[in-house]
Amino acid sequence: SYELTQPPSVSVSPGQTASITCSGDKLGDKYACWYQQKPGQSPVLVIYQDSKRPSGIPERFSGSNSGNTATLTISGTQAMDEADYYCQAWDSSLYVFGTGTKVTVL
Amino acid sequence: QVQLVESGGGLVKPGGSLRLSCAASGFTFSDYYMSWIRQAPGKGLEWVSYISSSGSTIYYADSVKGRFTISRDNAKNSLYLQMNSLRAEDTAVYYCARDTRGAGMGAFDIWGQGTMVTVSS
Repeated sequence: SYELTQPPSVSVSPGQTASITCSGDKLGDKYACWYQQKPGQSPVLVIYQDSKRPSGIPERFSGSNSGNTATLTISGTQAMDEADYYCQAWDSSLYVFGTGTKVTVL
Repeated sequence: QVQLVESGGGLVKPGGSLRLSCAASGFTFSDYYMSWIRQAPGKGLEWVSYISSSGSTIYYADSVKGRFTISRDNAKNSLYLQMNSLRAEDTAVYYCARDTRGAGMGAFDIWGQGTMVTVSS
């Protein structure tokens, strides 16, 4: 079965850049998206089709996908960005979520 | 506004059954694929099942295949998940989500608040 692997945690200082990776076999051949989930809340889509932002998502969120790795980048990280982040990919019949990364803003 | 509201969760014994519902509003429900996604306590997200806009195409994760059945009623703007032969490992918050597969996006752009299912004796 297809698997997506993320680092368990990422720490970042306020105002700095956080990068979260998502690794999977030939992931670059698929579309990747990213979700933010804060404690006790439902996930929110922050990036779709590798690098597109839904309406209402701040410009500091950006994404890329190539080879075996998709990356979510948060530029100028704010305290409100502290959350769990999940990547997700899809193919003809299935969806797969990544293992999740807890982003801590120190 | 665009909204999804799940209901039907609760405590059930192993081997038991439960039916979840998801009421959609604020968008043309019949235009969209829909999915169920679950999250066990303290764990990550797991996709469970999706259904096409017309209901003609359905897929399940291997972990629930043969036990869960997804369905929809476009006239009632509602999505359902019939869960049979429940196991302890099915304990999770179950989310319904609007699925943009039909638009080629393959992302879940609207999520409900979730409903908790606990399987325990």
